[in-house]
Amino acid sequence: KAGVTQTPRYLIKTRGQQVTLSCSPISGHRSVSWYQQTPGQGLQFLFEYFSETQRNKGNFPGRFSGRQFSNSRSEMNVSTLELGDSALYLCASSLKGQTGYGYTFGSGTRLTVV
Amino acid sequence: KQEVTQIPAALSVPEGENLVLNCSFTDSAIYNLQWFRQDPGKGLTSLLLIQSSQREQTSGRLNASLDKSSGRSTLYIAASQPGDSATYLCAVSSMDSSYKLIFGSGTRLLVRP
Repeated sequence: KAGVTQTPRYLIKTRGQQVTLSCSPISGHRSVSWYQQTPGQGLQFLFEYFSETQRNKGNFPGRFSGRQFSNSRSEMNVSTLELGDSALYLCASSLKGQTGYGYTFGSGTRLTVV
Repeated sequence: KQEVTQIPAALSVPEGENLVLNCSFTDSAIYNLQWFRQDPGKGLTSLLLIQSSQREQTSGRLNASLDKSSGRSTLYIAASQPGDSATYLCAVSSMDSSYKLIFGSGTRLLVRP
């Protein structure tokens, strides 16, 4: 069974640009979550989607947004990139999210902002 | 607000040792706790998932226990190998944190040949 697929694996962007990251969950999983990982802050929750609805959002500025499609694939977008946005962005899928179901993570997208 | 702490932050042991990694959380109202492994620059690999009603889970040389009332979990690794070298993260799915995992800062493990 295919795992969680994140594309692209690596990205280099310039300050002020915008970027879109993609996540394809495990087949049948309807919950997709996004996390940002940096050496200083560790793993921080960005948002979670279930059946195209955002159910929770972390404490990130409005430049960070996401969406989920009817096939459960999800994208996150960061506009007006800042140097501090450089991080590993991880996507996790779950059958339903919380209440007993574990999460499976993808390999991540390494974003470098220069 | 749920907080998760992992001790120690780093650990170096010789190959073959049995070792214990610790995870504590402040609010016992959790759905489950999950242990992950992360190799440098890579994603998270799920090791064990313990439901709030369970006391332990085992997979191969790994055993994870959960004491919800005291807010503690331990990951026991038997007969450690150099290939076990990685960062180990615990995360709780907490009833006060809808649909997100709360992570500890991790324990960086080095198993020396």
